Amino acid sequence: DAGVTQSPTHLIKTRGQQVTLRCSPKSGHDTVSWYQQALGQGPQFIFQYYEEEERQRGNFPDRFSGHQFPNYSSELNVNALLLGDSALYLCASSLALSNYEQYFGPGTRLTVT
Amino acid sequence: GQQLNQSPQSMFIQEGEDVSMNCTSSSIFNTWLWYKQDPGEGPVLLIALYKAGELTSNGRLTAQFGITRKDSFLNISASIPSDVGIYFCAGGGSNYKLTFGKGTLLTVNP
Repeated sequence: DAGVTQSPTHLIKTRGQQVTLRCSPKSGHDTVSWYQQALGQGPQFIFQYYEEEERQRGNFPDRFSGHQFPNYSSELNVNALLLGDSALYLCASSLALSNYEQYFGPGTRLTVT
Repeated sequence: GQQLNQSPQSMFIQEGEDVSMNCTSSSIFNTWLWYKQDPGEGPVLLIALYKAGELTSNGRLTAQFGITRKDSFLNISASIPSDVGIYFCAGGGSNYKLTFGKGTLLTVNP
């Protein structure tokens, strides 16, 4: 039973660039959430996708956008990167009916220089 | 963004000892969850709690959903070296997101 997978593992970008991170949910899951985890902090909710639509959004600017595909996989896009966007980006999947039991992937470590 | 108050921030214990940590919030949550995160990995779900007062165990781990719905506790009995890691509490409210604490770093000396 495949768990949540994310790609790439690591990424280095320059300030002002754009980045796309990818996530495949756990088999059987239909909901994907994205979180940002800064060093020494707990994960912060960015947004959640269900039925290919953004269902809920946290306190993140419009530079952060996402997409969910018919196969339930998801992308996180960040435009106009800032140094402060450097963090571990975590994808979590769940079933819509038991949404709070979210299972996390290993994350993508983004470094902005 | 909002984060839950998790304590202690770190713990250093001897193998075989029991551990207790807790999490408090100014807001009510409908669900409390506990996760463990190892370096370079994503958080792993340990226990999920859905009812105020609920006490749930998962092996040597026991967690409780506080009666006020504003707090939760995690106990680990007879700690072993592989218990080392960062433990996070998370609360789920009426929306779809999880709100996390800052974590408790657990170190177990063999």
